[in-house]
Amino acid sequence: GIQVEQSPPDLILQEGANSTLRCNFSDSVNNLQWFHQNPWGQLINLFYIPSGTKQNGRLSATTVATERYSLLYISSSQTTDSGVYFCAVVYGQNFVFGPGTRLSVLP
Amino acid sequence: DGGITQSPKYLFRKEGQNVTLSCEQNLNHDAMYWYRQDPGQGLRLIYYSQIVNDFQKGDIAEGYSVSREKKESFPLTVTSAQKNPTAFYLCASSIGTALEAFFGQGTRLTVV
Repeated sequence: GIQVEQSPPDLILQEGANSTLRCNFSDSVNNLQWFHQNPWGQLINLFYIPSGTKQNGRLSATTVATERYSLLYISSSQTTDSGVYFCAVVYGQNFVFGPGTRLSVLP
Repeated sequence: DGGITQSPKYLFRKEGQNVTLSCEQNLNHDAMYWYRQDPGQGLRLIYYSQIVNDFQKGDIAEGYSVSREKKESFPLTVTSAQKNPTAFYLCASSIGTALEAFFGQGTRLTVV
């Protein structure tokens, strides 16, 4: 099956800093999503991005499907950005999740 | 409001009991999914359904069962055969197979 890796596994930032999270996958995929899991466990959709670049406020994402990776950029981080960020790739008929990046933004 | 509703939010079960977790969506989505998340881990697929009256096993289906009698509903039963059921369970839906997925708030199951 497909392998999905995320890096770094943990990231600690000071409020206001920028960061880049990476998602690598081992095979061609149909689609890719980024999620933020808040402290209560809910998964919040950030981007549905099979290819190209999208931006939403302080967040943006780029997927280069031919090179099998996606990047999530967080600019001017806030404490509310803390949590776990997952990428999920569509492989066959299902979503396969990476292990996540745990982000802690300190005030 | 449109969305996915999971209930209950917290569930306690005695060993040897079956329990059923509810997942309802009013998004008119065809596909629905159940995932399990253990502490500090990613999500693993239990079952999925692409259409009413049809469902498929995921990676960790042993000890679980599902039904899909209505488009809006995809309940998950955790049976006594599931050896380690304590976990966080998340339900998702998408308008079509493997298109953009949306998640419910989750059910936290604890075996006591």
